[in-house]
Amino acid sequence: DTGVSQDPRHKITKRGQNVTFRCDPISEHNRLYWYRQTLGQGPEFLTYFQNEAQLEKSRLLSDRFSAERPKGSFSTLEIQRTEQGDSAMYLCASSPLTDLRHFGPGTRLTVL
Amino acid sequence: SQELEQSPQSLIVQEGKNLTINCTSSKTLYGLYWYKQKYGEGLIFLMMLQKGGEEKSHEKITAKLDEKKQQSSLHITASQPSHAGIYLCGADSRDDKIIFGKGTRLHILP
Repeated sequence: DTGVSQDPRHKITKRGQNVTFRCDPISEHNRLYWYRQTLGQGPEFLTYFQNEAQLEKSRLLSDRFSAERPKGSFSTLEIQRTEQGDSAMYLCASSPLTDLRHFGPGTRLTVL
Repeated sequence: SQELEQSPQSLIVQEGKNLTINCTSSKTLYGLYWYKQKYGEGLIFLMMLQKGGEEKSHEKITAKLDEKKQQSSLHITASQPSHAGIYLCGADSRDDKIIFGKGTRLHILP
């Protein structure tokens, strides 16, 4: 069990640029979740996958956000035309069911 | 929708003292998670409670879920600098995701 990994750990970008984050879950976990956490707040649900199927997307996930999990293994989260309000910690978690015990270290995004 | 309120928002305690953090839900809790987060890092799972009146301990940390399953507390005995961080409670929303409180920021004074 190597745990959930995320890449990159930190990303600084200019407003209007596109960014992509990657999450590698624990290999036998079917579910993969993305959360966003802003300073001083708890994590907020963005979306989740059951294998390769994206089962739910939060209203927080505007049309500038897209997530994929093409082969039911790793997942990517892309943000197009970044805005300063997108600055946050993006957290990935994986689990066999709704039992979130394994979170990745997060990707901290700063939009200048 | 279900909401979780954590109190206090921030806590400063002297090393060696005991402390308690509370998490109150607007609805019945079917699964309550406690996590610890160091600043700028991911969440570390501590404990999960499901049954009313349930209590679990790990090292010097004890978590309880009340009988009515609407409130949980996290108690740390003889706090140490390693306990410093953000403590988050999360609830199983019954629709395949966890919702979180805003967290309690714990600082330990040496």
